[in-house]
Amino acid sequence: KQEVTQIPAALSVPEGENLVLNCSFTDSAIYNLQWFRQDPGKGLTSLLLIQSSQREQTSGRLNASLDKSSGRSTLYIAASQPGDSATYLCAVSNQAGTALIFGKGTTLSVSS
Amino acid sequence: NAGVTQTPKFQVLKTGQSMTLQCAQDMNHNSMYWYRQDPGMGLRLIYYSASEGTTDKGEVPNGYNVSRLNKREFSLRLESAAPSQTSVYFCASILTSGGETQYFGPGTRLLVL
Repeated sequence: KQEVTQIPAALSVPEGENLVLNCSFTDSAIYNLQWFRQDPGKGLTSLLLIQSSQREQTSGRLNASLDKSSGRSTLYIAASQPGDSATYLCAVSNQAGTALIFGKGTTLSVSS
Repeated sequence: NAGVTQTPKFQVLKTGQSMTLQCAQDMNHNSMYWYRQDPGMGLRLIYYSASEGTTDKGEVPNGYNVSRLNKREFSLRLESAAPSQTSVYFCASILTSGGETQYFGPGTRLLVL
């Protein structure tokens, strides 16, 4: 059974710092991996989608990497801002069109 | 495009009452999903519909039923609500052509007393 783990569960950093969020999964036979952002009381917003054949994806200050063989993904946030404060969720899909399996998230707080 | 919409946004029920959570998407997506999110548990799949006319159980289907009314709409019904069903419910959809991002609705917050 696929399991997704995110470390750390919570992280506090000062504004401007570069940071890395970690995600690991137990079954390397994934179809894709997605990173989401969730603000308090809100829904999920997709940040980056990495196909199983890809190594990384970038969007603005965000960079997500994927190492299937080791069952790991990282989300790198450059020059963090208070507006980045949110919970970040990692999720994997084992087949095309199937439901996502989520980690429990990392709650990020960026102080000004 | 409204994306994925859910109604209601918030609901309070008494134990034993029934209700239906509505979800609709206007992106012509094939597959739709219902998840619940609980503190410390993350998001878990309740039911999904790979295409119009089909539904399948997910990880936590007990106490729920679903209907894929048409390609746009996927409803979740609680026949006899229990306090354990207090949660935030999210609907999601995907095109299912491969490699597509899953889009989520804003959620329905349900409190069962």
